[in-house]
Amino acid sequence: QQPVQSPQAVILREGEDAVINCSSSKALYSVHWYRQKHGEAPVFLMILLKGGEQKGHDKISASFNEKKQQSSLYLTASQLSYSGTYFCGTDTGNQFYFGTGTSLTVIP
Amino acid sequence: DAGITQSPRYKITETGRQVTLMCHQTWSHSYMFWYRQDLGHGLRLIYYSAAADITDKGEVPDGYVVSRSKTENFPLTLESATRSQTSVYFCASSEWGPQLAGGPPDTQYFGPGTRLTVL
Repeated sequence: QQPVQSPQAVILREGEDAVINCSSSKALYSVHWYRQKHGEAPVFLMILLKGGEQKGHDKISASFNEKKQQSSLYLTASQLSYSGTYFCGTDTGNQFYFGTGTSLTVIP
Repeated sequence: DAGITQSPRYKITETGRQVTLMCHQTWSHSYMFWYRQDLGHGLRLIYYSAAADITDKGEVPDGYVVSRSKTENFPLTLESATRSQTSVYFCASSEWGPQLAGGPPDTQYFGPGTRLTVL
């Protein structure tokens, strides 16, 4: 039930791009993305709905392939503040499942 | 202050004791959620509530009890704590919940977390 995220960890230099993938074995109504910094609560980034609607961050983009039950988060021109663990959350209709997370570290 | 708060922030207890974690939100959100976060497992949903007196099980409900007599409060009780329940617990609230339960999804706002250690 828990979606699989890849990669598990990535290190970037400032200005580089990254893609984080989230794949579910169940049909999805929506995908949520959150970022969590060490010792803090997860913070909302984006929601992607069936049919293509998106709600969220204006500097981070994402895609949602409903047929493949997959979502990808695109981080472009990364900044130091992007460091943290990224989680996808999946709505299967009657449950929320979060992925195990992708640790992203941006270095100068 | 507006927002979502959890208490206590840290708790150490012993195996077999009852523990209650509190969650309070001031937005009047309909939905509230309890998650546990463990290394290697990410966030796992324990219980959620669509409104006062309406609760439903999540992915890992065993060993936990919830209640919601008022919209703003959603306490989580470990009736007889076990070492495997050592974890960080997050409460969250949202205007909407799982699609089939109430409509279009919306963001969840997380509380600061409670770090629970069961000895």
